[in-house]
Amino acid sequence: AQSVTQLGSHVSVSEGALVLLRCNYSSSVPPYLFWYVQYPNQGLQLLLKYTTGATLVKGINGFEAEFKKSETSFHLTKPSAHMSDAAEYFCAVSVNSGYSTLTFGKGTMLLVSP
Amino acid sequence: DTEVTQTPKHLVMGMTNKKSLKCEQHMGHRAMYWYKQKAKKPPELMFVYSYEKLSINESVPSRFSPECPNSSLLNLHLHALQPEDSALYLCASSQEVQGRGETQYFGPGTRLLVL
Repeated sequence: AQSVTQLGSHVSVSEGALVLLRCNYSSSVPPYLFWYVQYPNQGLQLLLKYTTGATLVKGINGFEAEFKKSETSFHLTKPSAHMSDAAEYFCAVSVNSGYSTLTFGKGTMLLVSP
Repeated sequence: DTEVTQTPKHLVMGMTNKKSLKCEQHMGHRAMYWYKQKAKKPPELMFVYSYEKLSINESVPSRFSPECPNSSLLNLHLHALQPEDSALYLCASSQEVQGRGETQYFGPGTRLLVL
């Protein structure tokens, strides 16, 4: 079984500040890890994913995440926040068995102030 | 192209109505999913179709009836819904890439209100 913990239901930053959204996972098998973003009244958009290989993963809109097996973490960062980054962010872990089954964290709402 | 489309965008229905949600993808993905999402919550898996066959039904009430007519299309038939079924319904699709697992791509969702 797998699970995901996102620390902080809300994170507030100023425009231009560093964004750090935390995600810890547990998985009995090597995980596939994802970050999705959801803007109000929209579907989920894939930001980035870790499957195999390089542990530092770059995604869209300037976001990146680092897979740290020893810490069972997959934190999302962005050097400089934009107002347009305000949204709900979901970390997810999946196990593939003919199709994928995603286990989501509870989500973190990113608030960006001018 | 990683586009999943969903229609309608919004739907209001009474508890005695019958309606359907539609999802379409043309990426050749062989797995398709229905999720239900309540406000301020992550999506909850309802159904999974793999190769057009129902693979997972997460104990969803029978008033929700999925259908996969072909590999590109997924429907969700709704009948005798309750107000608590009001939510955002999301469709997703995925395809395994050898050695790199599967990635789910989501549609924009249908916002359902049951009166």
